[in-house]
Amino acid sequence: GAGVSQSPSNKVTEKGKDVELRCDPISGHTALYWYRQRLGQGLEFLIYFQGNSAPDKSGLPSDRFSAERTGESVSTLTIQRTQQEDSAVYLCASSLIRARNEQFFGPGTRLTVL
Amino acid sequence: GDSVTQMEGPVTLSEEAFLTINCTYTATGYPSLFWYVQYPGEGLQLLLKATKADDKGSNKGFEATYRKETTSFHLEKGSVQVSDSAVYFCALADNQGGKLIFGQGTELSVKP
Repeated sequence: GAGVSQSPSNKVTEKGKDVELRCDPISGHTALYWYRQRLGQGLEFLIYFQGNSAPDKSGLPSDRFSAERTGESVSTLTIQRTQQEDSAVYLCASSLIRARNEQFFGPGTRLTVL
Repeated sequence: GDSVTQMEGPVTLSEEAFLTINCTYTATGYPSLFWYVQYPGEGLQLLLKATKADDKGSNKGFEATYRKETTSFHLEKGSVQVSDSAVYFCALADNQGGKLIFGQGTELSVKP
């Protein structure tokens, strides 16, 4: 595809429900990142995948958050038992390789937990 | 840990005014530095970057110089346009995983 795509674009859920957010990176990009942007704040790193290496999960805020990636393609971010403080825009980015290369961002998924 | 601090907004300027958005960082080693921009209703996109000390990144009339001695990467533009109205984020990427660490963002509004 032309760019990073994410789905859904908007998600409204009730507190306590589980949600799954999807990211399709740019074809050929081996690195994939998830970030969270709370209202009026900067982006917080959540997790990244690089090829077949073990993912860096150091940014995940709690064990309710998890993510998977199938090879060098689609990634899914799962939030279990959602809380109101999980409300944010979740952004996915991909790059050719990690470190100094440009990360291309998707449009984000706006999650609202009622 | 690594961190980025940038000038708080919102910043309101008249068209053709000079723009400076300050950004300073704290990091071990030698990170790469970036400015990302988020136009209204659009996704985040890279504006410019610098990968080593004294490098100058430039794009669309914007410039920023990687200053190791002052740990700064201030964004400048000599003459802003209404179309520059957006939120600007300063960020660094470490040399390990390359994850980006962002500042809080600075909203710029340019009035005609």
